[in-house]
Amino acid sequence: SQTIHQWPATLVQPVGSPLSLECTVEGTSNPNLYWYRQAAGRGLQLLFYSVGIGQISSEVPQNLSASRPQDRQFILSSKKLLLSDSGFYLCALEGGVGQETQYFGPGTRLLVL
Amino acid sequence: TQLLEQSPQFLSIQEGENLTVYCNSSSVFSSLQWYRQEPGEGPVLLVTVVTGGEVKKLKRLTFQFGDARKDSSLHITAAQPGDTGLYLCAGGFGNQFYFGTGTSLTVIP
Repeated sequence: SQTIHQWPATLVQPVGSPLSLECTVEGTSNPNLYWYRQAAGRGLQLLFYSVGIGQISSEVPQNLSASRPQDRQFILSSKKLLLSDSGFYLCALEGGVGQETQYFGPGTRLLVL
Repeated sequence: TQLLEQSPQFLSIQEGENLTVYCNSSSVFSSLQWYRQEPGEGPVLLVTVVTGGEVKKLKRLTFQFGDARKDSSLHITAAQPGDTGLYLCAGGFGNQFYFGTGTSLTVIP
């Protein structure tokens, strides 16, 4: 079965500091992977998605970036965090060709102070 | 731009009552999913509907996809405190997914 790992689970960072959030998946190969951000009690905002190694599509222009160095690894980064970057970051993978469903990791809660 | 609007945004009901949550869009989707999310956790898939007019039942939950594939509803019968959570709809465009604004449901014992 597919498993999604995210770390860290919680992160408190000062404004202007760098960021690196990692997502790794198991039990699947060549998955489509996604990064979302969620404000408290609200819907998810799609940030990036990737259909393969080195292939990144950005949905929202901002100071965040994403990379996919390996098939089962998806990284979300920033060089300088802003207060508005605070939120709950979720990694997801698509359920499979034609399934049109997503499975989510446990999330990383980021607080920028 | 928010492609999917959910209503109501917040809902607080007594145990045993029925409720319906709506997910509306002006866009046509190839599929629509419903998720439930607990605080501090990732959303968990409840159902995927792909055919216009499709109705799926999952115990006390009934999901319907609009004929034009632009909207969906989630109906819960005899709500229980365990149904409490954030309900999210999501529309699929190929390998891209867009989430609704969310409905926060509280079922009071």
